[in-house]
Amino acid sequence: KAGVTQTPRYLIKTRGQQVTLSCSPISGHRSVSWYQQTPGQGLQFLFEYFSETQRNKGNFPGRFSGRQFSNSRSEMNVSTLELGDSALYLCASSPEGQGAIAFFGQGTRLTVV
Amino acid sequence: GENVEQHPSTLSVQEGDSAVIKCTYSDSASNYFPWYKQELGKGPQLIIDIRSNVGEKKDQRIAVTLNKTAKHFSLHITETQPEDSAVYFCAPNQGGKLIFGQGTELSVKP
Repeated sequence: KAGVTQTPRYLIKTRGQQVTLSCSPISGHRSVSWYQQTPGQGLQFLFEYFSETQRNKGNFPGRFSGRQFSNSRSEMNVSTLELGDSALYLCASSPEGQGAIAFFGQGTRLTVV
Repeated sequence: GENVEQHPSTLSVQEGDSAVIKCTYSDSASNYFPWYKQELGKGPQLIIDIRSNVGEKKDQRIAVTLNKTAKHFSLHITETQPEDSAVYFCAPNQGGKLIFGQGTELSVKP
């Protein structure tokens, strides 16, 4: 079985721009969660999508949004980028989600300049 | 509230020694307790997990023990090897999501 695929692996964006990251979960998994990883804050939960619906949300501003498609692939979008948004964004694939077993992708390294 | 504490933050051992990392959580409703290993430039890799109805689980050199009464669980690595060097995270579930500890950087010296 193929693992979790995240694209792109690296991104450099300018403050004020917006960015879209993509995640393809493991085949058959219906839940996709997104996490932000920074040296200062560690791994923080952004949101979870299950069957195209947002099921849970972390404490991030509305600039962070996501969606899930009928094939379970998910995208997250960050608008009006700030320097502090520089981080590794990780996608986790799960058969059922909601804090159950999850498998992570390699992440997308976003740098905002 | 969501509170996960992991100790120690760094751990250095000699090859062949054992390593133990402890994770304390606050939510008594937590029922799933995984450990992840993250190597440089990679995403977290699930290495072992345990559910609340089990006290201990072992997979070759790795084991996890759970004390639900005290709200803590631990990762045990025996006969450590240089390739075990990485950052390890506990991530108990709370509020329908995995809450990650701050990580333990394990260094295994040959």
